[in-house]
Amino acid sequence: DQQVKQNSPSLSVQEGRISILNCDYTNSMFDYFLWYKKYPAEGPTFLISISSIKDKNEDGRFTVFLNKSAKHLSLHIVPSQPGDSAVYFCAAQKQGGSEKLVFGKGTKLTVNP
Amino acid sequence: GAGVSQTPSNKVTEKGKYVELRCDPISGHTALYWYRQSLGQGPEFLIYFQGTGAADDSGLPNDRFFAVRPEGSVSTLKIQRTERGDSAVYLCASSLGLSGGNQETQYFGPGTRLLVL
Repeated sequence: DQQVKQNSPSLSVQEGRISILNCDYTNSMFDYFLWYKKYPAEGPTFLISISSIKDKNEDGRFTVFLNKSAKHLSLHIVPSQPGDSAVYFCAAQKQGGSEKLVFGKGTKLTVNP
Repeated sequence: GAGVSQTPSNKVTEKGKYVELRCDPISGHTALYWYRQSLGQGPEFLIYFQGTGAADDSGLPNDRFFAVRPEGSVSTLKIQRTERGDSAVYLCASSLGLSGGNQETQYFGPGTRLLVL
């Protein structure tokens, strides 16, 4: 039973355009969400996070939106750059002291020059 | 060295052998996590340490897997009688641990790629 789902295995966009990566979750106990970027042969690198008390968090070109009623979050990258090409993982953490992160399967983003 | 480091970066072993994987967390981080990532999957939680103690080991798949963190810093993941299905990338992460690890960013190391032949 996959609690965090990234239904698009891959996404391709043109340089300068917006990239939108989506993530759905099923467990209403999740209250903290993170996005990680992963290059081949490297560990995941933290990008941005959002707490369930917010519906938006922005950091430079990266914005995460959270829709709690729909149990959906998305990562927007504007403008997209070729260096953004990587696998993006959505992760969630439960309230109440369970510190482990539950990850989706990832979406491979390719930004074409 | 500011980040999480893991050694070895690659490990090839034969079925039935014993392996140890090491993780050196970010200095000052009291929370340490082990995850395992198989091909085409996201990382899956194995075990979480707060200081020297294992606060949550619910992700360890069976009793062949064991992890220690005797001094609250470096951790070792130990796998006995390795099986081909254990082949994966083993990732270590750390966080400050101020709130027990809750709502804290976890920073990952580069991983150890384990191949069991």
